[in-house]
Amino acid sequence: AQSVTQPDIHITVSEGASLELRCNYSYGATPYLFWYVQSPGQGLQLLLKYFSGDTLVQGIKGFEAEFKRSQSSFNLRKPSVHWSDAAEYFCAVGALGNTDKLIFGTGTRLQVFP
Amino acid sequence: AAGVIQSPRHLIKEKRETATLKCYPIPRHDTVYWYQQGPGQDPQFLISFYEKMQSDKGSIPDRFSAQQFSDYHSELNMSSLELGDSALYFCASSMTGRSYEQYFGPGTRLTVT
Repeated sequence: AQSVTQPDIHITVSEGASLELRCNYSYGATPYLFWYVQSPGQGLQLLLKYFSGDTLVQGIKGFEAEFKRSQSSFNLRKPSVHWSDAAEYFCAVGALGNTDKLIFGTGTRLQVFP
Repeated sequence: AAGVIQSPRHLIKEKRETATLKCYPIPRHDTVYWYQQGPGQDPQFLISFYEKMQSDKGSIPDRFSAQQFSDYHSELNMSSLELGDSALYFCASSMTGRSYEQYFGPGTRLTVT
């Protein structure tokens, strides 16, 4: 079965520091991969997605992610974090089979200190 | 740009009551998905509809039902509510041929007391 693992439950960084959020997936073929961000009490906003092609994808708000098939990873990065980036980040994979549902990881809560 | 609209945004019900959640997809989107996110949990897929027909079903309790209407809006009906149904319910929509590009609404926070 497909699954997504986000090893870090909680990460704290200083404003201006670089950020990397880890995501590993289990999948039988080329996956569709996504990163979503959720501010407290808010909905899920799509940051970026990978379907095929260039393994380094650019997203909104200065985020990027790199697909590494050999490591089954799709880590999210940002060179300089802003206080407004504090939120919950979810990695997701498109499920196999005749379905379009997304399977989410358990999320990583990002805290940013001034 | 228009986004997915969900109503109500907040709902408080008592045990054994019923609730109806509504979702209005982005214009020209023909597929709707429902997800449930419990406190501190990741979103879990419940059910989806394409062109008014159920297209997939996840871990949706038998007490819940849903449908998509001719204008593509969808309603999630929940009966015999239990305390464990307290959660954030998200609706997402997508268009034909881009089904993995799901755009989420702000969610309906259901509290069962």
